[in-house]
Amino acid sequence: GDSVTQMEGPVTLSEEAFLTINCTYTATGYPSLFWYVQYPGEGLQLLLKATKADDKGSNKGFEATYRKETTSFHLEKGSVQVSDSAVYFCALSKETSGSRLTFGEGTQLTVNP
Amino acid sequence: DARVTQTPRHKVTEMGQEVTMRCQPILGHNTVFWYRQTMMQGLELLAYFRNRAPLDDSGMPKDRFSAEMPDATLATLKIQPSEPRDSAVYFCASGLRASLGGSQPQHFGDGTRLSIL
Repeated sequence: GDSVTQMEGPVTLSEEAFLTINCTYTATGYPSLFWYVQYPGEGLQLLLKATKADDKGSNKGFEATYRKETTSFHLEKGSVQVSDSAVYFCALSKETSGSRLTFGEGTQLTVNP
Repeated sequence: DARVTQTPRHKVTEMGQEVTMRCQPILGHNTVFWYRQTMMQGLELLAYFRNRAPLDDSGMPKDRFSAEMPDATLATLKIQPSEPRDSAVYFCASGLRASLGGSQPQHFGDGTRLSIL
């Protein structure tokens, strides 16, 4: 079945450091790809998405590019802030699967001042 | 901004008791999902509905869990009887699946944190 694999956490960075969280997927067909962020005590919030190969999703300084050839959707940010500390989830969905989300394990990010 | 509303936010009860969790999806959304989040298993899909009809509940233990949508503004997830292993955060999410186009993002509620003693 479809699956998503994220780099293991936790990740700890200093403020203004460069962030990369790796995400790879296995899926048949043409999935849409998402990054969600979860702050403590809250639900998941959509951070960005890409619906086809070579699309780049971006939001709040975060970016991710849908790479079909490497089945990847790595999350990047050039300069992280303390307020970016959260858990980040990579996910995919397909119309043929009822648009249900298949999530990666999540990566805890802590940014220190 | 429109939000998915879940109640209660927290629930602590004893093993064997019935638990009912409620979700109000975003107005106009036609798809509702129930997820469970635990440290060990991460995020798991329990069930989902489209236009109030259940499409898949294969992720739910059938003997004790049930999910319904009595109307378009309310989805419920019930556990009876509850067990300590049901302790988790339960999320409801809603989305709009149009007849054409790619998958639309899901919007999540803040979850119900359930503890079964």
